[in-house]
Amino acid sequence: NAGVTQTPKFQVLKTGQSMTLQCAQDMNHNSMYWYRQDPGMGLRLIYYSASEGTTDKGEVPNGYNVSRLNKREFSLRLESAAPSQTSVYFCASSDGGRVSTFGSGTRLTVV
Amino acid sequence: QQQVKQSPQSLIVQKGGISIINCAYENTAFDYFPWYQQFPGKGPALLIAIRPDVSEKKEGRFTISFNKSAKQFSLHIMDSQPGDSATYFCAARWNTGNQFYFGTGTSLTVIP
Repeated sequence: NAGVTQTPKFQVLKTGQSMTLQCAQDMNHNSMYWYRQDPGMGLRLIYYSASEGTTDKGEVPNGYNVSRLNKREFSLRLESAAPSQTSVYFCASSDGGRVSTFGSGTRLTVV
Repeated sequence: QQQVKQSPQSLIVQKGGISIINCAYENTAFDYFPWYQQFPGKGPALLIAIRPDVSEKKEGRFTISFNKSAKQFSLHIMDSQPGDSATYFCAARWNTGNQFYFGTGTSLTVIP
């Protein structure tokens, strides 16, 4: 089915470990986004990529890096995980500035 | 600072009733206002959206009412059904077209 695919679905990290969350979309959308969702906080934008080759910081970029590998793929990297990064992470894509499709999320726990 | 304020945090409605969720914003740089529906374990899905030059938009049982002067908008779910039980998020798009700010979410439970 067409959409946004995120991997992994679940991950447990120890403080200080690194990992990369993968995201791919097959809708030929130009823009891609990484959000985190925390209880009582809604969704907060970490980074976004308006088009292939560009990335920009969102509301909460500290502790994260991103790579727009090609038009389809947008990865999120945690270089040194901290307990404050325990969250559910969502990748999304859009065409024309209308966020239309989210992935099913990655539930990350940092212990 | 929460750019988009959403209320209530939770809502319980009888089947067939009307569910109303409210959002407010301050910044006039927002130019597009979507609502998302999220079921447990899933990502949010776009439900309905409105631009600020329109006061109301209806799609089936879902209606957005928009009050530009008051900087408020609301989602009305008519004839609420148990299948509507989910978390609803309002959002606002910055007029540069790429940054969306989300409300904190409303957990809706529709009881039979």
